[in-house]
Amino acid sequence: GAVVSQHPSWVICKSGTSVKIECRSLDFQATTMFWYRQFPKQSLMLMATSNEGSKATYEQGVEKDKFLINHASLTLSTLTVTSAHPEDSSFYICSASGQNRNEQYFGPGTRLTVT
Amino acid sequence: ELKVEQNPLFLSMQEGKNYTIYCNYSTTSDRLYWYRQDPGKSLESLFVLLSNGAVKQEGRLMASLDTKARLSTLHITAAVHDLSATYFCAVVNSNSGYALNFGKGTSLLVTP
Repeated sequence: GAVVSQHPSWVICKSGTSVKIECRSLDFQATTMFWYRQFPKQSLMLMATSNEGSKATYEQGVEKDKFLINHASLTLSTLTVTSAHPEDSSFYICSASGQNRNEQYFGPGTRLTVT
Repeated sequence: ELKVEQNPLFLSMQEGKNYTIYCNYSTTSDRLYWYRQDPGKSLESLFVLLSNGAVKQEGRLMASLDTKARLSTLHITAAVHDLSATYFCAVVNSNSGYALNFGKGTSLLVTP
């Protein structure tokens, strides 16, 4: 099956710094990538949808200037959390979809802790 | 707004017993997904249901979809401890580029 990787798998950063998370589709071309956030013991919430070469579409309540998403190629999307604060600590999960929109493939997630 | 509701949210069951998790959604959708999540891990795809009346089975789990009732079920047969996990259903939101709207999840604990 299709494989999606994320890097790093976990990161600890200080308040005020920026963190970049990479999401890669390893064996298929991802025309669309999605970024989700999951707080402890809660469900996944969609943050934004990105299509290769286009600006990301953010969900209501998600600050686009704080969560910068770039989808520069068909195999890579990045999420940069700028000026991170402790409340940004969460589990960030990306998923990718190719030409077959019936399938979404999830990455292993990145656990961000902001101290 | 597309809403997805699961129940129960918490389920403790004995090994060997059967139970059903329900997933209701608020607007028309022809695609429904079931995922499993273990603590600290990402999602594992269990089933993709693409049409009304679809039924899929894998081991002790069976999922079905009734698009007219906007209801999916995940039935557990003769539960074993290894099935302990959180189960999510998700529905495609065509207004968000086919992103998924997730239910709150059902935390399942199977005890001896």
